[in-house]
Amino acid sequence: NAGVTQTPKFQVLKTGQSMTLQCAQDMNHNSMYWYRQDPGMGLRLIYYSASEGTTDKGEVPNGYNVSRLNKREFSLRLESAAPSQTSVYFCASSGRTGRTDTQYFGPGTRLTVL
Amino acid sequence: AQSVTQLDSHVSVSEGTPVLLRCNYSSSYSPSLFWYVQHPNKGLQLLLKYTSAATLVKGINGFEAEFKKSETSFHLTKPSAHMSDAAEYFCVVSFDRGSTLGRLYFGRGTQLTVWP
Repeated sequence: NAGVTQTPKFQVLKTGQSMTLQCAQDMNHNSMYWYRQDPGMGLRLIYYSASEGTTDKGEVPNGYNVSRLNKREFSLRLESAAPSQTSVYFCASSGRTGRTDTQYFGPGTRLTVL
Repeated sequence: AQSVTQLDSHVSVSEGTPVLLRCNYSSSYSPSLFWYVQHPNKGLQLLLKYTSAATLVKGINGFEAEFKKSETSFHLTKPSAHMSDAAEYFCVVSFDRGSTLGRLYFGRGTQLTVWP
């Protein structure tokens, strides 16, 4: 049981390049999330998917797209990377624990855009 | 509106002394509250959560937090700090809307330093 896995762990892009961050979970969770973490800002929600086949914007969706490929996988795409997208990206998934929706996080992807 | 404020961006303690990390929240609904820990270059790990059962919540590694509705606070404590506790700590709030999706709102984090 690996939990939430993310690839790649590190990536360096040039401005204007595109890339896809991959996320998979093996906990049979319905909901999945993408966050970015910047110094002093905590985590901010980019996009989320409440269930397979649905996606919705979070706080900071501009410059990103997502795909919920199936129940296990949720990818984040940068079509034209910008230096402002230099950040650490975390994927999370959630299942119900009683009334509480506890989220479990992957190890993160460190992205640098030059 | 949902929001969470961590009152200290940095806290420094000596090993063996108590730890107090402060958190206040704002929620229009009945909140769920969490503390997550992040060690350097790692993902986030759940320390503990409050879900409207007992107001004193015990978590992993000797941490606990008390929900005080009158003060809208959820401070994290540990009686005796250990070097391995050095990390960044996030207070997080959500509210139960009866759906399977709970949006999380993160504080900006408190960096805990533990001196030998």
